[in-house]
Amino acid sequence: DTAVSQTPKYLVTQMGNDKSIKCEQNLGHDTMYWYKQDSKKFLKIMFSYNNKELIINETVPNRFSPKSPDKAHLNLHINSLELGDSAVYFCASSQDFRRFLGGANVLTFGAGSRLTVL
Amino acid sequence: RKEVEQDPGPFNVPEGATVAFNCTYSNSASQSFFWYRQDCRKEPKLLMSVYSSGNEDGRFTAQLNRASQYISLLIRDSKLSDSATYLCVVIHNNAGNMLTFGGGTRLMVKP
Repeated sequence: DTAVSQTPKYLVTQMGNDKSIKCEQNLGHDTMYWYKQDSKKFLKIMFSYNNKELIINETVPNRFSPKSPDKAHLNLHINSLELGDSAVYFCASSQDFRRFLGGANVLTFGAGSRLTVL
Repeated sequence: RKEVEQDPGPFNVPEGATVAFNCTYSNSASQSFFWYRQDCRKEPKLLMSVYSSGNEDGRFTAQLNRASQYISLLIRDSKLSDSATYLCVVIHNNAGNMLTFGGGTRLMVKP
């Protein structure tokens, strides 16, 4: 069973379109994240949710809107896609971002969603 | 200055070699440290946590130097399968206990 699964794995779309990426974790974790990895391979945090509550919202354009219907799901919707949005988007989860011991803040990543905007 | 900095490499080493990477961090309040490994076109996966006293896991040894604000990863007897990008991760006690990733160091082990 995949621990953190995200769909779709590949997404090719035109500028200006709206798209969504879904993420689900079956680890029973409380905290979920969206990371963006650009062509230079830097991994940057975009959003973090703990038990459906927004914890981190980095300086991401408001065209990006996360939604967490329950603690096992964190979806990412992107409006009016731009060329610069092309990247690999990784969903991740951890037991509890507030705890440091026992590996509670170790991230488990999904396989990534490669978005190409033409 | 970036919060977490790594030499991007690539480090090209022959099989059996010993190789070491360093990673520097700028926030002295950082509390937790990790090394993750990322294979080409795959997701990052935890390699090992880094403890204050240093720790070893088979051929891998991690060290933390709080005074100089760096962590290191030593790989002994390199295998072809060690070829990957090694990401340094730091957590500091700011809002959200956010994990900050370094840009990664690419290792290529050649036969």
